[in-house]
Amino acid sequence: DGGITQSPKYLFRKEGQNVTLSCEQNLNHDAMYWYRQDPGQGLRLIYYSQIVNDFQKGDIAEGYSVSREKKESFPLTVTSAQKNPTAFYLCASTGTGGAKEIGRPYEQYFGPGTRLTVT
Amino acid sequence: KQEVTQIPAALSVPEGENLVLNCSFTDSAIYNLQWFRQDPGKGLTSLLLIQSSQREQTSGRLNASLDKSSGRSTLYIAASQPGDSATYLCAVSDTGKLIFGQGTTLQVKP
Repeated sequence: DGGITQSPKYLFRKEGQNVTLSCEQNLNHDAMYWYRQDPGQGLRLIYYSQIVNDFQKGDIAEGYSVSREKKESFPLTVTSAQKNPTAFYLCASTGTGGAKEIGRPYEQYFGPGTRLTVT
Repeated sequence: KQEVTQIPAALSVPEGENLVLNCSFTDSAIYNLQWFRQDPGKGLTSLLLIQSSQREQTSGRLNASLDKSSGRSTLYIAASQPGDSATYLCAVSDTGKLIFGQGTTLQVKP
């Protein structure tokens, strides 16, 4: 039974500290994504990775960094340079129909999210 | 630049009604369109994926249509139930990236 896990569910940090959000998937998907959601708004893309050791900036990458050293893991670091870091962060993945993938091809699957509060 | 709009922003209906949620997009060159459901404080659950070559998809009481030429999609929910209360988001795929609308928050009253 495959899925995406994000930890922790709630995270509290002081202003000026970097914080790393975890995202792990066991769907064997190549592509992974990080989104940010603010109250009453849709999702905005922060970073995405279509293959291991490669990633691209999304629409709002400033103040964030990512790595993709393993296929199943795509951690997001919220740095002190991010001006408004308090938000709900969602990780997602997509497969393209490969032999060992779980889920429908090209459909994006989401984790449960991490709510980050910075004070 | 692709923009996705969902109208209305909120909708309240009595249980048992059939209803339609609307999604429009500005650039018809999309790979696919996906409808999601989001419960408060939770992640997104995929409901339906329509490939650009398809006109509609159905899953249970849900039916989604796609008209690329007019830049529109609708999500039809039949015989609505209180458990359908949630925010519904549509998103269009642009070279693997999803561009989201702001969602329609649905309340189904018993």
